[in-house]
Amino acid sequence: DAMVIQNPRYQVTQFGKPVTLSCSQTLNHNVMYWYQQKSSQAPKLLFHYYDKDFNNEADTPDNFQSRRPNTSFCFLDIRSPGLGDAAMYLCATSRESGTGGPNNEQFFGPGTRLTVL
Amino acid sequence: GQQLNQSPQSMFIQEGEDVSMNCTSSSIFNTWLWYKQDPGEGPVLLIALYKAGELTSNGRLTAQFGITRKDSFLNISASIPSDVGIYFCAGQPFTQFYFGTGTSLTVIP
Repeated sequence: DAMVIQNPRYQVTQFGKPVTLSCSQTLNHNVMYWYQQKSSQAPKLLFHYYDKDFNNEADTPDNFQSRRPNTSFCFLDIRSPGLGDAAMYLCATSRESGTGGPNNEQFFGPGTRLTVL
Repeated sequence: GQQLNQSPQSMFIQEGEDVSMNCTSSSIFNTWLWYKQDPGEGPVLLIALYKAGELTSNGRLTAQFGITRKDSFLNISASIPSDVGIYFCAGQPFTQFYFGTGTSLTVIP
């Protein structure tokens, strides 16, 4: 089945220790997104890639970086995690962006729960 | 950013009852999506709406794209225990989707 896969599902890191979360997709979608979701809150968009074009949200901290080496994979790097970065990190994909209609539907992975000690 | 008001914030209902929730926006949206999220999992797409006035069903779920294009509604009929979870609306004015604050649904057997 075509899907969005996130690894690991649970990640524990220490305050200030860099961490990388990964996402892969078998949907062959052009767009990949990273969201941060804190407890009982809505997902918050951090950034997205349309193919190799990177689009950063204005309020995403510099501490968060992303890489998309190919269509299938996208990585979220947190350079110096703070306690406030503990959250669920969700990866999503869509075929297109901004065109309207079914091609804009976003499909989410299961998420990675990040704990910062 | 866009503000999406989703209500109610939480619901406690008896199994078999019908459920209604809605999202409202201060801006016009071109697409509305409804998701369900189980604890510790990612959101799962339930229903997508693309036209003002559109009414779409998925099993016991029915959603509508409001005529003003500033709101959307989700109804669940004859609730069952597995309907428990958090329901999010997501609206798209142009490129980005904005998420509502979620409705937490508890179904009492």
